[in-house]
Amino acid sequence: GQSLEQPSEVTAVEGAIVQINCTYQTSGFYGLSWYQQHDGGAPTFLSYNALDGLEETGRFSSFLSRSDSYGYLLLQELQMKDSASYFCAVRDNTGKLIFGQGTTLQVKP
Amino acid sequence: GAVVSQHPSWVICKSGTSVKIECRSLDFQATTMFWYRQFPKQSLMLMATSNEGSKATYEQGVEKDKFLINHASLTLSTLTVTSAHPEDSSFYICSARTGTSSYEQYFGPGTRLTVT
Repeated sequence: GQSLEQPSEVTAVEGAIVQINCTYQTSGFYGLSWYQQHDGGAPTFLSYNALDGLEETGRFSSFLSRSDSYGYLLLQELQMKDSASYFCAVRDNTGKLIFGQGTTLQVKP
Repeated sequence: GAVVSQHPSWVICKSGTSVKIECRSLDFQATTMFWYRQFPKQSLMLMATSNEGSKATYEQGVEKDKFLINHASLTLSTLTVTSAHPEDSSFYICSARTGTSSYEQYFGPGTRLTVT
């Protein structure tokens, strides 16, 4: 079967750094994406890794290790507005995005 | 760029009626559109994939006769929930992709359906 595992909840304080891990098992792998979703809103694209290594986009970075079927999203200099759900997603060999269950990030003052 | 709209943003309907949700790509042509359903505090579950001009491909467990999908043009896909029941109440989200080689999907704002 296809599955993505990520922690259900993470709490951190403003200004801190938080890492959200994601392990996957899918039929085919064409990249790992990360999406942010605020309550009641649509998912917004954050980052994409097709190859091993670190991709940096402002305060957000994403890492991928294909040999370990593992990736993570790193959020630096946390702000209150970063409180949201974060989903990792794998594009499988049919072109579909398979989403993880999501990690709820709560940023506290 | 790459904006996807959905209409309506929310809808309340009575049990047994049908509801149509529209998904439009505003500034690009979407060769493929996806329909997801999301229950509160849960992940996005893919319902079906639609390619312009062809029949939609439904995921296992999704009733194609209940959730009718039409992808009539490169900028419009519709999802019709037929004979809606309270258990169909959910957040329905569409997304669009510009081409088979494109890795990024652009999501619409979602439609909150409540069936009473």
